[in-house]
Amino acid sequence: QKEVEQDPGPLSVPEGAIVSLNCTYSNSAFQYFMWYRQYSRKGPELLMYTYSSGNKEDGRFTAQVDKSSKYISLFIRDSQPSDSATYLCAMSRNTDKLIFGTGTRLQVFP
Amino acid sequence: EPEVTQTPSHQVTQMGQEVILRCVPISNHLYFYWYRQILGQKVEFLVSFYNNEISEKSEIFDDQFSVERPDGSNFTLKIRSTKLEDSAMYFCASRESVLSPLHFGNGTRLTVT
Repeated sequence: QKEVEQDPGPLSVPEGAIVSLNCTYSNSAFQYFMWYRQYSRKGPELLMYTYSSGNKEDGRFTAQVDKSSKYISLFIRDSQPSDSATYLCAMSRNTDKLIFGTGTRLQVFP
Repeated sequence: EPEVTQTPSHQVTQMGQEVILRCVPISNHLYFYWYRQILGQKVEFLVSFYNNEISEKSEIFDDQFSVERPDGSNFTLKIRSTKLEDSAMYFCASRESVLSPLHFGNGTRLTVT
């Protein structure tokens, strides 16, 4: 079983839709959870950073962590064509290296 | 907003040659990292660096790799004798403290021919 699993997509949605992106993981020691956005040939750009379980909201983005199910989600409300990118989940045990998912490619069409 | 900068953006080299990838982390950050992303694959950890020494390294980071912080601003990754399979995007990252999130540069695309 992979340490972090993420559906690669692609996920194609119309502008204005609510997007749900998800990752599952196997290591119960993960405590820190992140979502990054990566445009083609660019570096990962931090979107959300959460510690342990719960929800965090920032503008159109909401991150959820369910440690009991080993499942994290990122919701994007009112999606825009500019949201088209690859979304990477990443997590770590405490303060050490990040373990990334493979990324989900999202396309928002007008 | 401060950012991590990497140079060059693209480096082409022949197999067996040495390459140095350069990074300028965000100025008040103390923890530095290199990650790698082979085309179509996930981002993978290579090495972490703090207080002028390596904190952790992955299995990928063998004797052909080394890192250095030669002055107060630069952070470099050297590959001594490049192999075809070293072709990838190399990302530098930094963070202010152990509890802060990681910020990435835009990467150096290394092509080994």
